[in-house]
Amino acid sequence: QVQLVESGGGVVQPGRSLRLSCAASGFTFSNYVIHWVRRAPGKGLEWVAVVSSDGTNKWYADSVKGRFTISRDNSKNTLYLQMNSLRAEDTALYYCARIKNIGDVWFVFDYWGQGTLVTVSS
Amino acid sequence: DIVMTQSPASLAVSLGERATINCRSSQSILYSSNNKDYLAWYQQKPGQSPKLLIYWASIRQSGVPARFSGSGSGTDFTLTISSLQAEDVAVYYCHQYYNTPQTFGQGTKVEIK
Repeated sequence: QVQLVESGGGVVQPGRSLRLSCAASGFTFSNYVIHWVRRAPGKGLEWVAVVSSDGTNKWYADSVKGRFTISRDNSKNTLYLQMNSLRAEDTALYYCARIKNIGDVWFVFDYWGQGTLVTVSS
Repeated sequence: DIVMTQSPASLAVSLGERATINCRSSQSILYSSNNKDYLAWYQQKPGQSPKLLIYWASIRQSGVPARFSGSGSGTDFTLTISSLQAEDVAVYYCHQYYNTPQTFGQGTKVEIK
């Protein structure tokens, strides 16, 4: 069955870095686009970033552009999010979520991981 | 960015009664070339990740019970739970995928009265 498992979250000081991973299984990873979406405490869902299935094209929310870098390793079935210059407002539960259709970059999310918590605090 | 506004923020409904959640987009998310509304609904139960319920405004995802239905077009949309069950207690989000950045509503919390 399809599984997405996030890891790498933790407590970090403002200005520091963290790298999140999303390990995928149960489907052909290289065929699908997977996004990062986050939910801050007491707030709704916010789209963060996406990379195309071959890793060449990347898009970011304005709130993280220039600080976060998304990448993927299709040989390891893993998606990454390198987060630099972290701010208190980046505190959130970070989910990876798969796009429903093969080949689509922008569509609905049919599978989500359980999330990994990032807390930015001094 | 397209702003998605949900109402109400929370509602309490008796078991077996109808629950109605509204979502309004700040601009039309109906794509004229294919006549499709780029609107989805998700359910997030406590301690769980979001689950896709509805896409193209009214298409139920495989496995979703028939008591969940979506309607609306253009800028105004509705998610209806025809007969609320205990397992439907959750936060519900609307989501537009019409353009980038994709955006979500702030969520509607559904509880049992």
